[in-house]
Amino acid sequence: KQEVTQIPAALSVPEGENLVLNCSFTDSAIYNLQWFRQDPGKGLTSLLLIQSSQREQTSGRLNASLDKSSGRSTLYIAASQPGDSATYLCAQAGTALIFGKGTTLSVSS
Amino acid sequence: DGGITQSPKYLFRKEGQNVTLSCEQNLNHDAMYWYRQDPGQGLRLIYYSQIVNDFQKGDIAEGYSVSREKKESFPLTVTSAQKNPTAFYLCASRIPRGPNTGELFFGEGSRLTVL
Repeated sequence: KQEVTQIPAALSVPEGENLVLNCSFTDSAIYNLQWFRQDPGKGLTSLLLIQSSQREQTSGRLNASLDKSSGRSTLYIAASQPGDSATYLCAQAGTALIFGKGTTLSVSS
Repeated sequence: DGGITQSPKYLFRKEGQNVTLSCEQNLNHDAMYWYRQDPGQGLRLIYYSQIVNDFQKGDIAEGYSVSREKKESFPLTVTSAQKNPTAFYLCASRIPRGPNTGELFFGEGSRLTVL
């Protein structure tokens, strides 16, 4: 069974820290990998989409990388802010669309 | 603005009742999806549709039904056969999968509570 794993499940950091969220996947037939943000009681907001032919994507303070050979993606958040507090999910599109369970980030001021 | 609209945002149902959750998109996407989200379990796929008048069961389709009569609309009915329907339901859409598969977009969700 194909799986997407996100580590850690929860993370607390002080404001201003740079941090990395991890996502690993087992399906080698990957079309793309997408990172989302979810606030409590809300839907998922797309942050970054990396196609299988790409190695990374950047949007503002966010940078996502993709390493197909190792089955890993990372989401780098620079200079974290309290407004970044949310749950971050990754999803792999391959033979199926599979979601990780997310990393819940708390940034304290 | 383009996007996905889910309604209602909150819904209460008595046991034995069927309820229908609405999902409408104006993104011109062919593929639409319904997910269920429970605490600690992540997103689970209920049904998906790659094209009008066609849909497929996902991992947890029992007790649910869908229709896809229009490209823009993919309503989900939670039937009385669904034993534990209290959950947060999310609708999504995108260009269907393939070498250049598109970005997945979500609605704001519908929270169903069984009384």
